[in-house]
Amino acid sequence: DGGITQSPKYLFRKEGQNVTLSCEQNLNHDAMYWYRQDPGQGLRLIYYSQIVNDFQKGDIAEGYSVSREKKESFPLTVTSAQKNPTAFYLCASSRRNTGLEGYEQYFGPGTRLTVT
Amino acid sequence: QKEVEQNSGPLSVPEGAIASLNCTYSDRVSQSFFWYRQYSGKSPELIMSIYSNGDKEDGRFTAQLNKASQYVSLLIRDSQPSDSATYLCALGGGYQKVTFGTGTKLQVIP
Repeated sequence: DGGITQSPKYLFRKEGQNVTLSCEQNLNHDAMYWYRQDPGQGLRLIYYSQIVNDFQKGDIAEGYSVSREKKESFPLTVTSAQKNPTAFYLCASSRRNTGLEGYEQYFGPGTRLTVT
Repeated sequence: QKEVEQNSGPLSVPEGAIASLNCTYSDRVSQSFFWYRQYSGKSPELIMSIYSNGDKEDGRFTAQLNKASQYVSLLIRDSQPSDSATYLCALGGGYQKVTFGTGTKLQVIP
């Protein structure tokens, strides 16, 4: 079955530690995204990547880093510089578009990160 | 900066009724519009996409788009308790980026 997997489902870390969230897709999508969702708020874009070895900052990239070495994988590192890292992190993927029309994004199950 | 506005709700409807969810947006350039359903504690699930003015039907769901008035709506016919969730409106365009609204919480009362 095609889809997007994220691991782990729940993650607990101490303040000051970096943590890496995994995202893998087998949909053969070129584009991948990371969002953050806080209670009662919408989705905020952290980083996105349209092709391998290329990625762009989203609206709230500070304190995060990503890599895109393989088409299938787009891991997100939450660094100790991120002031409020506790949130629900969602990875998504879509076909790549080069114009104004956006393609549907499909989401993984998410990782709930708690930092204490 | 694109903005997407949704009433946070909750919108309560009795089982079997039509639920009407609305979304307005500020960006006239947007070409694609999406509705996602998000159950509590889960990730968003795409349920409808619409690109042209008018109505698009899929089962019990109908998406309506009016670009001149800058609104998009989602109708759910014969609402079921299992439809109780938060519905996110999203705008696509601008080279890959999608902007999401904060969602409307729907409660279907048995």
